[in-house]
Amino acid sequence: GENVEQHPSTLSVQEGDSAVIKCTYSDSASNYFPWYKQELGKRPQLIIDIRSNVGEKKDQRIAVTLNKTAKHFSLHITETQPEDSAVYFCAASSPGNTGKLIFGQGTTLQVKP
Amino acid sequence: DTAVSQTPKYLVTQMGNDKSIKCEQNLGHDTMYWYKQDSKKFLKIMFSYNNKELIINETVPNRFSPKSPDKAHLNLHINSLELGDSAVYFCASNLGEGTEAFFGQGTRLTVV
Repeated sequence: GENVEQHPSTLSVQEGDSAVIKCTYSDSASNYFPWYKQELGKRPQLIIDIRSNVGEKKDQRIAVTLNKTAKHFSLHITETQPEDSAVYFCAASSPGNTGKLIFGQGTTLQVKP
Repeated sequence: DTAVSQTPKYLVTQMGNDKSIKCEQNLGHDTMYWYKQDSKKFLKIMFSYNNKELIINETVPNRFSPKSPDKAHLNLHINSLELGDSAVYFCASNLGEGTEAFFGQGTRLTVV
């Protein structure tokens, strides 16, 4: 079945450093790849997404890259700040599946001041 | 003007009881979902609804019965609650495939 693997499960960086989270997906038909940030006790919220016809997308300090051949996509956060500390989820969605999201296992990012 | 709202936020109940969680969205979306987040934070799809109709049941036990009275509401009724049902349940909605999903604030269900 559809599966999304996410690594690492935890990531600790110093403020100002970069953070990279990687995901792989199993369904080659997947065409939409969002990233969600979930702060403690809060709802997941979209921070960036990418579609399969695009290789890279950037929004200020965050960027996402997609390699369709390898079925990999990654989240890059530059100049990390303490408020970036949260759980980050990658997800994949395939056509014909109502838009449901298959999530990775999550990465707990800690940014140390 | 909350986009997706669900109630209650917390629910503590005994094994064997029946409980309901309500969800409403004011975004005009056609598609709504229920997700379950377990103690390890893993988010898993449970149900997908499109315009009040059940589209996908992700092999969820039939103790869980979603109901959509109209396309803005998707409620979740759980019968005969078990300890393993303890989790955070999130309602979500979107415009359909390839669009941003908006999540409710979650309902933390604790079965004792």
